[in-house]
Amino acid sequence: NAGVTQTPKFRVLKTGQSMTLLCAQDMNHEYMYWYRQDPGMGLRLIHYSVGEGTTAKGEVPDGYNVSRLKKQNFLLGLESAAPSQTSVYFCASTSFRGSNQPQHFGDGTRLSIL
Amino acid sequence: GDSVTQMEGPVTLSEEAFLTINCTYTATGYPSLFWYVQYPGEGLQLLLKATKADDKGSNKGFEATYRKETTSFHLEKGSVQVSDSAVYFCASHSSNTGKLIFGQGTTLQVKP
Repeated sequence: NAGVTQTPKFRVLKTGQSMTLLCAQDMNHEYMYWYRQDPGMGLRLIHYSVGEGTTAKGEVPDGYNVSRLKKQNFLLGLESAAPSQTSVYFCASTSFRGSNQPQHFGDGTRLSIL
Repeated sequence: GDSVTQMEGPVTLSEEAFLTINCTYTATGYPSLFWYVQYPGEGLQLLLKATKADDKGSNKGFEATYRKETTSFHLEKGSVQVSDSAVYFCASHSSNTGKLIFGQGTTLQVKP
């Protein structure tokens, strides 16, 4: 059972380049999330989705776009990468919005912008 | 807005020592509370949770009690092991917003 799978695991980009991070879950979860993790700041929500075809902004959405064309996949795009976007990115999913349901996390994508 | 504050780390302990990691929260309403653990190179894993006041979550020897009067959810373990070395995150889930709010994380290092 794979759970939540993120690709790639590592990437180095130059400023201004674009890329897409892929998150796939095999648990038939409705809700999916993208976070970034920076030292001393915990995890901050970038964008999230409450179902196929829907997306919404989180706490730090600027510079990112997302798409949820299929229920199992949630893509995070950087159109023009900036050094401030150097971070570790985590995808998570959960079955529904209920407060007692934990989120399941992928292993992260470590992204460096030079 | 909602927020979660954890004690700053790193916390360094010897094996078999007692562990406490403090966590306090601010929220409208009554959020569910979680502790997640992140081992090196991995994503976050749920460690334990509590969904209402006075609930005690427990797992793998770790415990935390939901204290509404002090808005706290401190993590404790009676005897830590080297394998407990990780980053621990406290989080609150708001039923109003449906979002999970994380503390900044506390690094625990246990030495043999």
